[in-house]
Amino acid sequence: QSVLTQPPSVSGAPGQRVTISCTGSRSNIGAGYAVHWYQQLPGAAPKLLIYGNNIRPSGVPDRFSGSKSGTSASLAITGLQAEDEAYYYCQSFDISPSASRVFGGGTKLTVL
Amino acid sequence: QVQLVQSGAEVKKPGASVKVSCKTSGYTLTDYYMHWVRQAPGQGLEWMGWINPNSGATNYVQKFQGRVTLTRDTSISAAYMEMNRLTSDDTAFYYCAREGDGYDSFDLWGQGTLVTVSS
Repeated sequence: QSVLTQPPSVSGAPGQRVTISCTGSRSNIGAGYAVHWYQQLPGAAPKLLIYGNNIRPSGVPDRFSGSKSGTSASLAITGLQAEDEAYYYCQSFDISPSASRVFGGGTKLTVL
Repeated sequence: QVQLVQSGAEVKKPGASVKVSCKTSGYTLTDYYMHWVRQAPGQGLEWMGWINPNSGATNYVQKFQGRVTLTRDTSISAAYMEMNRLTSDDTAFYYCAREGDGYDSFDLWGQGTLVTVSS
């Protein structure tokens, strides 16, 4: 069971907009720690997609955006493309003694 | 080219140990913390711990303390993850990941090393 909660799956047609939620608690996202998002294509290592809640690394299309409010964060993808089909993971910092870095369980995005 | 290159797949028997390497290129190992993350087949990402390659200081998630050791060899720009007392539950891809300058995110990942534990 992951510390951060994501929906197992989302889907959308090409060109549409989808959002993926990431729900935490007062010991991580709600404590003010930044949320980061990773994209994992089939058979590949994760890749940083969004960091610091809403900052895109160089090379990431502006179709991807992130936001954060309270104990939750969201990843939005507009203009869906077939190549966006992948798993998406959120990650943050947690102040509990058991772990300092925590991930969401991952969300499978299917492009219909 | 800035990259992390990990060692090849391993097959181990229960109770054995494994040591995975992660070699850096294109940047100085000691400039950034290195983390290790694992992913069991069909499962999500699980953070294991970090090493400060400059000082050698480490931090582990509680479930791995005493069973996982993170080390580095700065002379060859490599970080290592060693796990002992392996069980079938440890079958997973193991990734090294660099903590970049952006709010402690993981901006660079190795390609992953599959460790299979089977009798």
